[in-house]
Amino acid sequence: GESVGLHLPTLSVQEGDNSIINCAYSNSASDYFIWYKQESGKGPQFIIDIRSNMDKRQGQRVTVLLNKTVKHLSLQIAATQPGDSAVYFCAEVWGNQFYFGTGTSLTVIP
Amino acid sequence: ETGVTQSPTHLIKTRGQQVTLRCSSQSGHNTVSWYQQALGQGPQFIFQYYREEENGRGNFPPRFSGLQFPNYSSELNVNALELDDSALYLCASSLRQSTDTQYFGPGTRLTVL
Repeated sequence: GESVGLHLPTLSVQEGDNSIINCAYSNSASDYFIWYKQESGKGPQFIIDIRSNMDKRQGQRVTVLLNKTVKHLSLQIAATQPGDSAVYFCAEVWGNQFYFGTGTSLTVIP
Repeated sequence: ETGVTQSPTHLIKTRGQQVTLRCSSQSGHNTVSWYQQALGQGPQFIFQYYREEENGRGNFPPRFSGLQFPNYSSELNVNALELDDSALYLCASSLRQSTDTQYFGPGTRLTVL
């Protein structure tokens, strides 16, 4: 299968700052991408998604950017809060399969 | 909460045993996918069921099998358990197969001794 990688395994930010989590994907045929948040002891929680015909999508405090030229995906979290502390996964989708990266652990410092 | 439920929450088995994990999908969802998540790793796709038929499979041996029922709930069965099968098993449901957003349950933590 295709691999999905994250540039940084851990990220620490001050409360109130913006966070940026990056992800590289390798399959140019992937046409759908999703960011998930996973808190300890819980299943992944959907945050935001983007189709390959878009390069930016905004949600509540979150923005996903897609750069197909370099196969790069990023998640921006505005005004990061302690409740944002979790592991964040990007997933790329092609065929009937979701391919997840290894995750980035985000820690918010009060 | 996503409305996806899984049982049991935790399970301890010994090598060679068999295990059945269960998942109830979110109301209205006809597609269920199963994932294995080892500690510190991202979820790895096992297989997907759409309207009671297997609709895609990841790189897992045949001793991993599944079922989907008419009410779209699902089971994951693992035979001849190995130590490396210890993981969090996640079920995700979606409205349609393929590229529709998947909503995950809380998972079943399986420990193989």
